[in-house]
Amino acid sequence: QVQLQESGPGLVKPSETLSLTCSVSGSSISDNYYWDWIRQSPGKGLEWIGSLYRGGVTSYYNPSLKSRVTISGDTSNNQFSLKVTSMTAADTAVYYCARRKGATFFFDYWGLGTLVTVSS
Amino acid sequence: QSVLPQPPSVSAAPGQRVTISCSGSDSNIGNNYVSWYHHLPGTAPKLLIYDNNKRPSGIPDRFSGSKSGTSATLAITGLQTGDEATYFCGMWDSSLNSVVFGAGTRLTVL
Repeated sequence: QVQLQESGPGLVKPSETLSLTCSVSGSSISDNYYWDWIRQSPGKGLEWIGSLYRGGVTSYYNPSLKSRVTISGDTSNNQFSLKVTSMTAADTAVYYCARRKGATFFFDYWGLGTLVTVSS
Repeated sequence: QSVLPQPPSVSAAPGQRVTISCSGSDSNIGNNYVSWYHHLPGTAPKLLIYDNNKRPSGIPDRFSGSKSGTSATLAITGLQTGDEATYFCGMWDSSLNSVVFGAGTRLTVL
């Protein structure tokens, strides 16, 4: 059974950098999958942040967030991470990690999500 | 952030059939595969339909997906109270070079 679990701070100050980690079990991040981050701000729809392919072969980002986002992989611990710089209140959201299969862009496993609040 | 329109809510009685729509354009639904998800607060979203109309293992055939032009539809038959949740669509958008999602539809089983 594939499981993903997000971890990281629940509170970040404005202008700081958010760092989140997704721990994966039941599947290797080096397998032929994409490992994605998605978020949902309060009262808004889901927003795709970006993805990592095969543990770090390459990464892809939402053009609207690309300048502030980095996704990287740690194959030794079977984890992948998200960094978002220059956080503002608009970045307050539930952040999900998910596994995506192939080129047809569907997510077959998701984490529970972690709420990140940006506030001083 | 681009979010595709879905009806905010739908409702139906147990045993009945309900459909949930997702409206898009040629750059997303029209030329890319659609997936559908079930979500309850505090839980992980669950894949119901992928590649427009395929069900993952373990998803009952009460759930079906279809696509016509730039609209996609999720149909649920034989409604059960346990089906109460938010349902959202997702797909790639070739113009935005990004995955996009529907706004989500809250299903109430009366």
